[in-house]
Amino acid sequence: DIQMTQSPSTLSASVGDRVTITCRASQSIGIWLAWYQQKPGRAPKLLISKASTLESGVTSRFSGSGSGTEFTLTISSLQPDDFATYYCQQYKSYLSFGQGTKLEIK
Amino acid sequence: QVQLVQSGAEVKKPGSSVMVSCKASGDTFNKYVFNWVRQAPGQGLEWMGRIIPILAVTDYAQILQGRVTITADKSTSTAFMELSALRSEDTAVYYCARGDNSMAPFDHWGQGTLVTVSS
Repeated sequence: DIQMTQSPSTLSASVGDRVTITCRASQSIGIWLAWYQQKPGRAPKLLISKASTLESGVTSRFSGSGSGTEFTLTISSLQPDDFATYYCQQYKSYLSFGQGTKLEIK
Repeated sequence: QVQLVQSGAEVKKPGSSVMVSCKASGDTFNKYVFNWVRQAPGQGLEWMGRIIPILAVTDYAQILQGRVTITADKSTSTAFMELSALRSEDTAVYYCARGDNSMAPFDHWGQGTLVTVSS
């Protein structure tokens, strides 16, 4: 099984900050990586697929990069609506998620 | 528009089984892969398994092998997830989620179904 490890687990930031979340895979997954945003009591929302492809309707403040085993999600100029939990997911071999990164207001 | 509507909350006794349904509308059911993901209270997302309705092919997470069964009824565009031998650790919100194929992320999700396992 492919293990996904996100860091940090919690991130405190302010409106207007630029933040980066990292996701590492236990083996190479090419670009078969997605990022999701989840708010309390809601289903996750797909933000990015194939490591860097922004989904339709998702603000360009979100960007993704990486390939192989190391990936990042960057949010430029945080807005109040961005405070949520973020998950990476590999879909190269079956599927698995990272443990999540909770983005909190500082 | 695409909608995945799940069945309602369940309370079950340890050792029993639960079945959760996920009815799809707004697009051709057979074109897609339907996955099940669960989330225990305050925890992360755990992929449980998937079905490709047009092929009737299923895959399951190894940790749940033998306890989870995923099926689909093409006539009603509904996917089902049955989990047996329930224990307290199975208390979670269960989501169905759609992917374009077996190598795709999940672009649409159901609203979630809370399953509580308690004696």
